[in-house]
Amino acid sequence: QVQLTESGPGLVHPSETLSLTCTVSGFSLTGYSVYWVRQPSGKGLEWMGRMRYNGDTSYNSALKSRLSISRDTSKNQVFLKMNSLQTDDTGTYYCTRARRGTRAVMDAWGQGASVTVSS
Amino acid sequence: DVQMTQSPYNLAASPGESVSINCKASKSISKYLAWYQQKPGKANKLLIYDGSTLQSGIPSRFSGSGSGTDFTLTIRSLEPEDFGLYYCQQHNEYPYTFGAGTKLELK
Repeated sequence: QVQLTESGPGLVHPSETLSLTCTVSGFSLTGYSVYWVRQPSGKGLEWMGRMRYNGDTSYNSALKSRLSISRDTSKNQVFLKMNSLQTDDTGTYYCTRARRGTRAVMDAWGQGASVTVSS
Repeated sequence: DVQMTQSPYNLAASPGESVSINCKASKSISKYLAWYQQKPGKANKLLIYDGSTLQSGIPSRFSGSGSGTDFTLTIRSLEPEDFGLYYCQQHNEYPYTFGAGTKLELK
């Protein structure tokens, strides 16, 4: 059974760094790409970036200067770090699995990690 | 970036009815359009990709159509579990962008 579970601090102070972990089960990180998507409070979905199955990364240019995605395949984990957080970064952060054979189609989602940026 | 415009923003319908949700891209995305369902307390669900391909396990009352810039998600004979939020997403080019969502509510 495919599962993705996001974890991390629920509260981050302005200007600090957000660190989130996506722990996956039911599939291998060397066989599937994992994407991060966020949903600012009351708004729609925004694709943030991806960790490809081969270890390559790509980022949304709007976030690229602040964002880093890495992984530990031995622990089945993908990590997101985003610095210089502001209040409009408040929202829910999802990790997703990319469907094989199709570009950027997300066939499994975590439940999401709620992040509040506040002093 | 490709802008995705969904309509309507809100949609009220009754079980058994059929509804359509539209998604318009700011430039051609060929067939590369996906639809997702979002419901409180549940993981988002992929419904359709490549414009019209039904994801495995999704009921056949869901269908997608369109290409280029104009796409439609149709749900025939609504079931109670179909009410929720629906998002389109273009998966043609970086950055992959989503529509603002359509809230399908019980009339």
